[in-house]
Amino acid sequence: GQQLNQSPQSMFIQEGEDVSMNCTSSSIFNTWLWYKQEPGEGPVLLIALYKAGELTSNGRLTAQFGITRKDSFLNISASIPSDVGIYFCAGHFGNQFYFGTGTSLTVIP
Amino acid sequence: EAGVTQFPSHSVIEKGQTVTLRCDPISGHDNLYWYRRVMGKEIKFLLHFVKESKQDESGMPNNRFLAERTGGTYSTLKVQPAELEDSGVYFCASSDGYEQYFGPGTRLTVT
Repeated sequence: GQQLNQSPQSMFIQEGEDVSMNCTSSSIFNTWLWYKQEPGEGPVLLIALYKAGELTSNGRLTAQFGITRKDSFLNISASIPSDVGIYFCAGHFGNQFYFGTGTSLTVIP
Repeated sequence: EAGVTQFPSHSVIEKGQTVTLRCDPISGHDNLYWYRRVMGKEIKFLLHFVKESKQDESGMPNNRFLAERTGGTYSTLKVQPAELEDSGVYFCASSDGYEQYFGPGTRLTVT
């Protein structure tokens, strides 16, 4: 299957700092999605991107669909303690969704 | 609008036993997916239903796993007999064809 490389694997940051994470793939996708998972919960959709080059914001979150369609990044500005969780990227092609290994974010107050 | 629900939230069984997981998708979503996440690894695709039909079951690990989707509504995933390596969190997700919404997952522990 298609493989997504997500980095970094984990991040420890101070409250108020900005965060950046990204996903790359050897294959192209039609849609990129970013999810956040908190303990005991399923992944929650944060942002969906549908076009190469698209830049979309959702509050303090900004994500971009890479121009090559093989990558995407997610930025979180001015982090707060409730941003803690695991962030997953996902690429959609055909009928399948392919996921990255996740970025674990810890925000230190 | 109700989200995707899964039952049970946790299951602890012994090797060799049978477990059945249930997923109720968002009403009206034809696409239903099953995934598994083993600690620290990516979320791995198991299979995909479109209504009651299996569209793609290429991710099912072996024939100990059986998924059904009765009448195109809820779905069940049965593991029989369970092995130690089946432990993990099983997620169900439903989609309207564009965005995908996850359930809370079932944490399966096989001892």
